Amino acid sequence: KAGVTQTPRYLIKTRGQQVTLSCSPISGHRSVSWYQQTPGQGLQFLFEYFSETQRNKGNFPGRFSGRQFSNSRSEMNVSTLELGDSALYLCASSLVASGRVVEDGELFFGEGSRLTVL
Amino acid sequence: AQKVTQAQTEISVVEKEDVTLDCVYETRDTTYYLFWYKQPPSGELVFLIRRNSFDEQNEISGRYSWNFQKSTSSFNFTITASQVVDSAVYFCALNPPPQGGKLIFGQGTELSVKP
Repeated sequence: KAGVTQTPRYLIKTRGQQVTLSCSPISGHRSVSWYQQTPGQGLQFLFEYFSETQRNKGNFPGRFSGRQFSNSRSEMNVSTLELGDSALYLCASSLVASGRVVEDGELFFGEGSRLTVL
Repeated sequence: AQKVTQAQTEISVVEKEDVTLDCVYETRDTTYYLFWYKQPPSGELVFLIRRNSFDEQNEISGRYSWNFQKSTSSFNFTITASQVVDSAVYFCALNPPPQGGKLIFGQGTELSVKP
């Protein structure tokens, strides 16, 4: 079956602009999580969505937001871009939402969207 | 505090050598999951294993094996007879309650396997 799909794969923006990234989870998965990966901070959790509701949130400023649609596809938005927002943004999908523990709770990641802010 | 430490930043081995990647975690929770992922140059995180905190049985999958020791809060990963294709960055991660999609990652260990 198809994996997690993220678009666009690469993009370049300038400071002050905003960006929207998209994630299509594995069919049947209803939980989508977002991560930021940078050389300095490593992999950091941004937020998780399940059934169109944000279930968990990491420690990022309000410029980072997300949403999930009824078909489980998710988007994240970063407004007023800063140089430090340059990163690989990874999306993961799973069958499990926060508060539910099931045996097949693996998280599967997409290839990421690489954002460069100039 | 919840934290994952992968003390080995880089490891270089010659093909066919065995290599162990260390992972130490900190948590006060009694129920949690631990993960290992592989990240090749393409960037995608490839799922390797998910282990429940109540299951301390070691696991073997082909050339891969995992040693989970709750007493020392460690979840180490061994590759037997390494191959060049094993070259990647490997991440250990903690999935605290209330489980779901939040993982706390270690800084990763870059493994280089030379022919």
